[in-house]
Amino acid sequence: NAGVTQTPKFQVLKTGQSMTLQCAQDMNHEYMSWYRQDPGMGLRLIHYSVGAGITDQGEVPNGYNVSRSTTEDFPLRLLSAAPSQTSVYFCASSRGETQYFGPGTRLLVL
Amino acid sequence: RKEVEQDPGPFNVPEGATVAFNCTYSNSASQSFFWYRQDCRKEPKLLMSVYSSGNEDGRFTAQLNRASQYISLLIRDSKLSDSATYLCVVNPPHRGSTLGRLYFGRGTQLTVWP
Repeated sequence: NAGVTQTPKFQVLKTGQSMTLQCAQDMNHEYMSWYRQDPGMGLRLIHYSVGAGITDQGEVPNGYNVSRSTTEDFPLRLLSAAPSQTSVYFCASSRGETQYFGPGTRLLVL
Repeated sequence: RKEVEQDPGPFNVPEGATVAFNCTYSNSASQSFFWYRQDCRKEPKLLMSVYSSGNEDGRFTAQLNRASQYISLLIRDSKLSDSATYLCVVNPPHRGSTLGRLYFGRGTQLTVWP
């Protein structure tokens, strides 16, 4: 199993650009989530999904959209990037309470 | 008030030392607690769950104090490889479900030196 994979590993955007961060898992987990990690802030939940077709907001959802059309994939879309969205983004999946994280995407918004 | 409060450290200890981390949580209805470990520029990985009766995994011991709403992690006989950031994680109930909605502390940085 590849576990949780994320692409790209690094990305630089200009303010106002849009992009999609990809996340995929091959463990047939129902639950998937997106976090952002900023210095001194810890990981904060952006959006999560309890199964295909079901998504909900986390602590910091503004500026991000998600969809879950398949069990395997859970992309995160930035509609109009802002410098405040510069961060490290982690995708995670779980069946029970243990979450398995992807390697992260480092995003810089100029 | 934040869901999980954790002293960021850093803790700098020599090999062989015993070191303890604490964190506090705000939601008294929380049922699940964890310690995750995160190496520099890597993803977090589950270190251990924390059970009400306390639990031990080799050199690591986790304790839960529900009355005071704090969780602790004790590392005995520290190794160089223990150097990492340790994240306190709580899973409070949300809309009647406890499924995977985790709140992370800021993390406590540990450096073990030779």
